[in-house]
Amino acid sequence: GAGVSQSPSNKVTEKGKDVELRCDPISGHTALYWYRQRLGQGLEFLIYFQGNSAPDKSGLPSDRFSAERTGESVSTLTIQRTQQEDSAVYLCASSLDGGRPQHFGDGTRLSIL
Amino acid sequence: GQSLEQPSEVTAVEGAIVQINCTYQTSGFYGLSWYQQHDGGAPTFLSYNALDGLEETGRFSSFLSRSDSYGYLLLQELQMKDSASYFCAVREGNFNKFYFGSGTKLNVKP
Repeated sequence: GAGVSQSPSNKVTEKGKDVELRCDPISGHTALYWYRQRLGQGLEFLIYFQGNSAPDKSGLPSDRFSAERTGESVSTLTIQRTQQEDSAVYLCASSLDGGRPQHFGDGTRLSIL
Repeated sequence: GQSLEQPSEVTAVEGAIVQINCTYQTSGFYGLSWYQQHDGGAPTFLSYNALDGLEETGRFSSFLSRSDSYGYLLLQELQMKDSASYFCAVREGNFNKFYFGSGTKLNVKP
């Protein structure tokens, strides 16, 4: 596609449920990033993939968060047993390789009731 | 750890020049980026400085001083469409971690 695509654009779920967020990067981009942005705040780095590997997962807020990437393409961010503090916009970005300008998707707005 | 400081809000008039400063503390510094984000929109890349000095791209320029752990974004000939939040972001280490500041909300008035 022309840009980074994220789905769903909005997700409302009950506390305790699991959610899966999807990111389709720009074709050919080997680097992929996940960020979390709470209302009125900056972007919080979650994880970075180079190809299908994530060399450092220490940015994930807790063990309820996991991410994977397959085929050097699609990535999914999974949040298990969601909590109200997980409510935020989750942004995905991709770049040609690590360190290059990042192209962001429009994000998934996650609301936990 | 790492921290980035930038002003929370700046107001300027159309046609003016505005400078948004960013100071940072981090280990394994690789470079400083700037991103623009309109309300409800996705961040878009503006500039990246890995070395000291000024980088110019049209109306926007970005400066870095590694010895001072300081950078700024300079916006010239302000337009109403420049009203947005501007984030500085530090690239840290080989694992390409990026740490973003809390953002500066720029209000451009007629």
